[in-house]
Amino acid sequence: EIVLTQSPATLSLSPGERATLSCRASQSVTSYLAWYQQKPGQAPRLLIYDASNRATDIPARFSGSGYGTDFTLTISSLEPEDFAFYYCQQRSNWPPLTFGGGTKVEIK
Amino acid sequence: QVQLVESGGGVVQPGRSLRLSCAASGFNFSRHGMHWVRQAPGKGLEWLAVIWYDGSNKYYADSVKGRFTISRDNSKSTQYLEMDGLRAEDTAVYYCARDRNGGGYFDYWGQGTLVTVCS
Repeated sequence: EIVLTQSPATLSLSPGERATLSCRASQSVTSYLAWYQQKPGQAPRLLIYDASNRATDIPARFSGSGYGTDFTLTISSLEPEDFAFYYCQQRSNWPPLTFGGGTKVEIK
Repeated sequence: QVQLVESGGGVVQPGRSLRLSCAASGFNFSRHGMHWVRQAPGKGLEWLAVIWYDGSNKYYADSVKGRFTISRDNSKSTQYLEMDGLRAEDTAVYYCARDRNGGGYFDYWGQGTLVTVCS
């Protein structure tokens, strides 16, 4: 099973700042990595798939990069609605599909 | 628009069974694989099971293998999760999610249904 480790656990930033979230895989997932956003009381939403492709209707301020074992989700300028939890997920070697433990982006 | 609506959650005693349903609309259900994902209170996401678009293949997480069964009825655009031998650690919000193009990503999610296992 591929283990995904996200860091930091919590990111405290102000609106307008740049957010950089990390996801590291226990073995290579090539580019088969996705990012999801989840707000309290809501279902997750797909943001990025295949490491760098934005999903439908996702704003351009969200971008993904990486290959192999190290991946990054960048939010170029935080909007108030971006404060949420973010999860990475791999589909390289499944089953099982696995998620990282999550990063909370909170308002500083 | 794509909609996934789960139902069937509730409070159940340990060892008992429960059946969740997920009614889909707004897309051609019979062309998509479907998943179940859960989230324990205050915890992260855990993938549970997938069923191929035609029901020909099913895969499970080790944590539920042998206890949970995924199925679908394409004529009703509905998928199911039969949960047997429930344990306290199965307490979670259970989400139905659509597979994106057969690849193992989740592009649409339901709102979730809460299952609480307690005596």
